[in-house]
Amino acid sequence: QIQLQQSGPGLVKPSQTLSLTCAISGDTFSTISFTWNWIRQSPSRGLEWLGRTHYTSEWLNDYAFSVKGRISINVDTSKSQFSLQLNSVTPEDTAVYFCARARVVGATRFQYYYSMDVWGKGTTVTVSS
Amino acid sequence: DIQMTQSPSSLSASVGDRVTITCRASQGISNYLAWFQQKPGKAPKSLIYGASSLLSGVPSKFSGSGSGTEFTLTISNLQPEDFATYYCQQYSTYPFTFGPGTKVEIK
Repeated sequence: QIQLQQSGPGLVKPSQTLSLTCAISGDTFSTISFTWNWIRQSPSRGLEWLGRTHYTSEWLNDYAFSVKGRISINVDTSKSQFSLQLNSVTPEDTAVYFCARARVVGATRFQYYYSMDVWGKGTTVTVSS
Repeated sequence: DIQMTQSPSSLSASVGDRVTITCRASQGISNYLAWFQQKPGKAPKSLIYGASSLLSGVPSKFSGSGSGTEFTLTISNLQPEDFATYYCQQYSTYPFTFGPGTKVEIK
């Protein structure tokens, strides 16, 4: 049974970097069947998809426009984990952050489609001095 | 970005009731729509993908329908554990976007 275990600090100072890790157990990590996502939730912004990493013949990333330029998702295959880094944070980045797996549920000639099916428990991150 | 809206934003219902939630997309997304249930302080739980396909282990009291821009989630025979907030999400085009949620409360 796959589990996603999140870790990382719950308090980050403004202008610094938010860093969270999601460790995968019980499943294959480097496969085209899944993508690995970060989502956050706040009262003001609701649920917001931030980005994903996925493996084809190499690891590729897609990011939300709202955080592009500040976000980086990295993979450590030796530890079966992926991480989120969000730079230059402000109080608006205060939220609960979730990692989630999405599995392939459809395909066309041009692309695969993935839907989220397993979620981490969430990490509350507060940006404050 | 594709905008997702949901109606109603909240509803009150009794145990045993059948309720329907509507989700609309600002442009056509075929059937690339998922539904999630979230309880306070918990992560979302995935219920449906492909607008109408239940994930393994999700009871058949949940059903989804729709295609294009309009979708519905129906919950039959509401039980105490079903009172929660429900979100739709499109995965047709990134950035993948969520609806604002529908809170199902006990009458």
